[in-house]
Amino acid sequence: KQEVTQIPAALSVPEGENLVLNCSFTDSAIYNLQWFRQDPGKGLTSLLLIQSSQREQTSGRLNASLDKSSGRSTLYIAASQPGDSATYLCAVLFQGGSEKLVFGKGTKLTVNP
Amino acid sequence: SAVISQKPSRDICQRGTSLTIQCQVDSQVTMMFWYRQQPGQSLTLIATANQGSEATYESGFVIDKFPISRPNLTFSTLTVSNMSPEDSSIYLCSVESRGRPLNEQFFGPGTRLTVL
Repeated sequence: KQEVTQIPAALSVPEGENLVLNCSFTDSAIYNLQWFRQDPGKGLTSLLLIQSSQREQTSGRLNASLDKSSGRSTLYIAASQPGDSATYLCAVLFQGGSEKLVFGKGTKLTVNP
Repeated sequence: SAVISQKPSRDICQRGTSLTIQCQVDSQVTMMFWYRQQPGQSLTLIATANQGSEATYESGFVIDKFPISRPNLTFSTLTVSNMSPEDSSIYLCSVESRGRPLNEQFFGPGTRLTVL
């Protein structure tokens, strides 16, 4: 079964700290992996997309890595700010089967001023 | 990227009634999807909205409960029929902006539905 797991479910850090969010997936046959941000009661904002052939992507203070062989991705947030507080979702587009985007349950991040 | 709008943004409905949610994209896209996000949960795919043909539903979702229209490449609707409190969720429309394997999905702002 194709599954995506995110640990931890919640994380609270002081402002300015660097942090890492983790995502693991069960099948290495993927097209791509996306990280999203969701604010309470809102839709999803796409942060980074990593293609199957890529190892990492960067956007501003965000860096996402992909290790297909171990079924892992990390989202690194540098110099965290209170505005970074949100739920971060990892989603994987697996090859084969129904080829649909499979989401993790997310990590709820709180950055304290 | 694609800009997606949804109407309504939120609604409170009575049990037994139906609500139609609209999704509008600012460019033509091949793939449009409808998701449900129940309180405290992650996203679950309801169906893929296909232009010119019937939607493709995921296990656990049926057309009678969630009829979908896709009249053209920029617009889709999802109806939540005969609602019950268990249907209270955020409903999200998404699109794939490019062909596979480069596809990236973008999401609308969501429709927050509360059923009393």
